[in-house]
Amino acid sequence: EPEVTQTPSHQVTQMGQEVILRCVPISNHLYFYWYRQILGQKVEFLVSFYNNEISEKSEIFDDQFSVERPDGSNFTLKIRSTKLEDSAMYFCASSEQGVVVTKNIQYFGAGTRLSVL
Amino acid sequence: QKEVEQNSGPLSVPEGAIASLNCTYSDRGSQSFFWYRQYSGKSPELIMSIYSNGDKEDGRFTAQLNKASQYVSLLIRDSQPSDSATYLCAVNKLEGNNRLAFGKGNQVVVIP
Repeated sequence: EPEVTQTPSHQVTQMGQEVILRCVPISNHLYFYWYRQILGQKVEFLVSFYNNEISEKSEIFDDQFSVERPDGSNFTLKIRSTKLEDSAMYFCASSEQGVVVTKNIQYFGAGTRLSVL
Repeated sequence: QKEVEQNSGPLSVPEGAIASLNCTYSDRGSQSFFWYRQYSGKSPELIMSIYSNGDKEDGRFTAQLNKASQYVSLLIRDSQPSDSATYLCAVNKLEGNNRLAFGKGNQVVVIP
């Protein structure tokens, strides 16, 4: 069964360092997303991406964050200068479509646990 | 007002019983409704999707949607210990961005 894959599973970094989280969405999906979940809190939307551009971003997704689809399979989230409060589980998701009922289901990867020290 | 609210505390149910979970949402323009299951330290896993008013059944799971009351529920019949998890209600508007808004989740503990 196709799945969203994320690497690494756990990333430890020092405050102020740059990190890149990687995702391979399901191959025929066109919409890609990043969410985060701080320990004990709800899943929060960060950004959606379609047709090689950001379609929506939340207030969390400030200038320190960027996304890229560098090739036909990978989708990355970069945090330029990490802060302690960026420590969270980061989930990548993808969906076949965005606006068609039954095709807008988002499937989540296993996540990357980011620990900022 | 929170976009998606799941207010119940942890729910303990005996094995074989029915677990009932509720969710309300604030945006009347919402069109897609999902229940995800999340085991501790793991990612959300889709359990059910529902788009129109009424009931939708899939195996031991039944989702119910009432758009007039802005209410979504999930019933788990014949609860099993493996159903012990946090259940997340998620909603979106089916506009171009397809952003999911999640509730904080309801923890279910099935007691053998």
